[in-house]
Amino acid sequence: GAVVSQHPSRVICKSGTSVKIECRSLDFQATTMFWYRQFPKQSLMLMATSNEGSKATYEQGVEKDKFLINHASLTLSTLTVTSAHPEDSSFYICSARTSGGSSYNEQFFGPGTRLTVL
Amino acid sequence: AQSVAQPEDQVNVAEGNPLTVKCTYSVSGNPYLFWYVQYPNRGLQFLLKYITGDNLVKGSYGFEAEFNKSQTSFHLKKPSALVSDSALYFCAVRDRGGGADGLTFGKGTHLIIQP
Repeated sequence: GAVVSQHPSRVICKSGTSVKIECRSLDFQATTMFWYRQFPKQSLMLMATSNEGSKATYEQGVEKDKFLINHASLTLSTLTVTSAHPEDSSFYICSARTSGGSSYNEQFFGPGTRLTVL
Repeated sequence: AQSVAQPEDQVNVAEGNPLTVKCTYSVSGNPYLFWYVQYPNRGLQFLLKYITGDNLVKGSYGFEAEFNKSQTSFHLKKPSALVSDSALYFCAVRDRGGGADGLTFGKGTHLIIQP
């Protein structure tokens, strides 16, 4: 149980285009989902916290107009990288916490999406 | 602000020997502490967590970790390493007192178990 999927697993796009990444909780409902970014040989950095039906909370330094997050249902959150540039190339990972879960409950992570912007 | 330090980029252990992956943390209040493992081309998998209570926490695949408040550490251990334990291990923390709801991760430690 507690499986999280991401789609696509890998995407290559041209500079200036927008890319949407989906994160789905397959066998549980997730009130809260998180988006992380991982650079090569570096740790995961929290970008934003997404709560179903409300606006996402962005971490300091993350441009909310560039990284659009939508959490329209209890099983789906999307991250759209708008007007992508080469510096946005990274590994994007989502995670989900079960509905009603406390902040000490573990998060379940998706397999990640490798974004390469040419 | 909260932070996590994993001082070792890589740990090499012979199969069958005990292993330790180090983690220290910094939070303003009391911590929730987690260990995750990442295999190549796969997402992070939860291993164990410390919330409260017994300082020794047992988790998946025979791993355990000991919470040491005075040393602000949460080292991951296993009595007898397997080659299949080779992976990237992340320690993570969340301040119980508030702040970001997400986790703060260490940079990760590559664990290599040699046959």
